[in-house]
Amino acid sequence: AQRVTQPEKLLSVFKGAPVELKCNYSYSGSPELFWYVQYSRQRLQLLLRHISRESIKGFTADLNKGETSFHLKKPFAQEEDSAMYYCALEDSNYQLIWGAGTKLIIKP
Amino acid sequence: SAVISQKPSRDICQRGTSLTIQCQVDSQVTMMFWYRQQPGQSLTLIATANQGSEATYESGFVIDKFPISRPNLTFSTLTVSNMSPEDSSIYLCSVLPGGHTYEQYFGPGTRLTVT
Repeated sequence: AQRVTQPEKLLSVFKGAPVELKCNYSYSGSPELFWYVQYSRQRLQLLLRHISRESIKGFTADLNKGETSFHLKKPFAQEEDSAMYYCALEDSNYQLIWGAGTKLIIKP
Repeated sequence: SAVISQKPSRDICQRGTSLTIQCQVDSQVTMMFWYRQQPGQSLTLIATANQGSEATYESGFVIDKFPISRPNLTFSTLTVSNMSPEDSSIYLCSVLPGGHTYEQYFGPGTRLTVT
C-alpha cells in the first residue's frame, strides 16, 4: 500500500537548534517525494522536492531508499520556520499522497 | 507557476443545503484537484477534475455528493450537496500546470461550516 507517515504531530525546538522532521514512505515504484509547508494564514506551498536536490530556506531533505525515508532537516532553526509541514509522495497518476503533517514550533 | 483563487473564502451553511465552490486559475492547466482538509487533519483528495469529462473520484467520495464541473482549462467548481455538519472542512483546489513531476499549486481554500 502507498503510504506516507509523519510520526510527529508536533515538534517544538528552540531557535538556533537543529530541526529534523521525519517522513517515511511506502511505495512500490520509484518515489517522487516533496515537502510542502503552510505558514500561518498562508496557502500551502512547495518547500522542496527530492529530484532537485536543493536547499530552500536552509532546509534539505535526502531520499534514503534503504530506510524509505525523506526527512527534512535544518541545522539552525529560525522563528519564521514555525509552520505546518507536510511530506507528500506523488503516485503514477500525478496525485499526491499526503502525510498527516507536523506542526513545527520554534521557541525564542 | 499558477495563481489560484477560490470563491467563497468561507461560508456558514445550514444542514441540507448545497454550496458551490469556484476555483479560477490564471493560466491553462492540465490537472486540477479538489481536496478536503478537516480540522487538525491532513489533506484528503476528493477527485481529479477532468476537462470535458466526468471527474475521477477517490474512494469514499461520490458524484452525487460532490459534483464537479470543469468546463475549460482554467476553471472548476465543486459542489457540496445536502450538507451535514460532518462536511464542515476546508476545501482546497490545486493545479498541476504541466502534468509532469512539478509542484502542485494551491488555492487559499474555502472554509465551510455547516450548522
